[in-house]
Amino acid sequence: EAQVTQNPRYLITVTGKKLTVTCSQNMNHEYMSWYRQDPGLGLRQIYYSMNVEVTDKGDVPEGYKVSRKEKRNFPLILESPSPNQTSLYFCASSTRTSGGDTQYFGPGTRLTVL
Amino acid sequence: GNSVTQMEGPVTLSEEAFLTINCTYTATGYPSLFWYVQYPGEGLQLLLKATKADDKGSNKGFEATYRKETTSFHLEKGSVQVSDSAVYFCALSLTGTASKLTFGTGTRLQVTL
Repeated sequence: EAQVTQNPRYLITVTGKKLTVTCSQNMNHEYMSWYRQDPGLGLRQIYYSMNVEVTDKGDVPEGYKVSRKEKRNFPLILESPSPNQTSLYFCASSTRTSGGDTQYFGPGTRLTVL
Repeated sequence: GNSVTQMEGPVTLSEEAFLTINCTYTATGYPSLFWYVQYPGEGLQLLLKATKADDKGSNKGFEATYRKETTSFHLEKGSVQVSDSAVYFCALSLTGTASKLTFGTGTRLQVTL
């Protein structure tokens, strides 16, 4: 089954404790992205990757890091989480088509930073 | 810059009512337009899309037409069901922007019996 998986689904942590949210896709997609969803703001892109070892900032990259060492994986790293990073996070993947990019989303990770 | 504006929710309808959720956009190039749906506790799923002016996207009884002259992509359904209760997001993507989606804020739809 074609899918994007994220782990963990729920995480409660404390300020300053480094954490990693993993993302994996089995569709051999070139593009992967991370978004955060906040009430009244919709989804905003944090980082994206066009292929292995190629990443770039989205709209709200501050406080986040990513890496793309393998095509299928795109982890999101919070080196020193703060309460304003409490949010619902989604990973997405896509492949370039002539008809516009359709993104496939993971189930989400709900992060609470105390 | 690029932006998407969609009507505020929540929208509450009775089953079999007609649905319209308005969406307008601002873009610097020629966007593709999307509607995504988020059911409770789940990630986003593509509902429909349109890639050029006057295209109509359709799926599961939902339709939206890409109107370049009014920069709009309104979502419609003739007869909603309780199972359509979800949050609906309008989004755009510019060709050649490495798969970035710009989303609206989402509209929550609640359908009652």
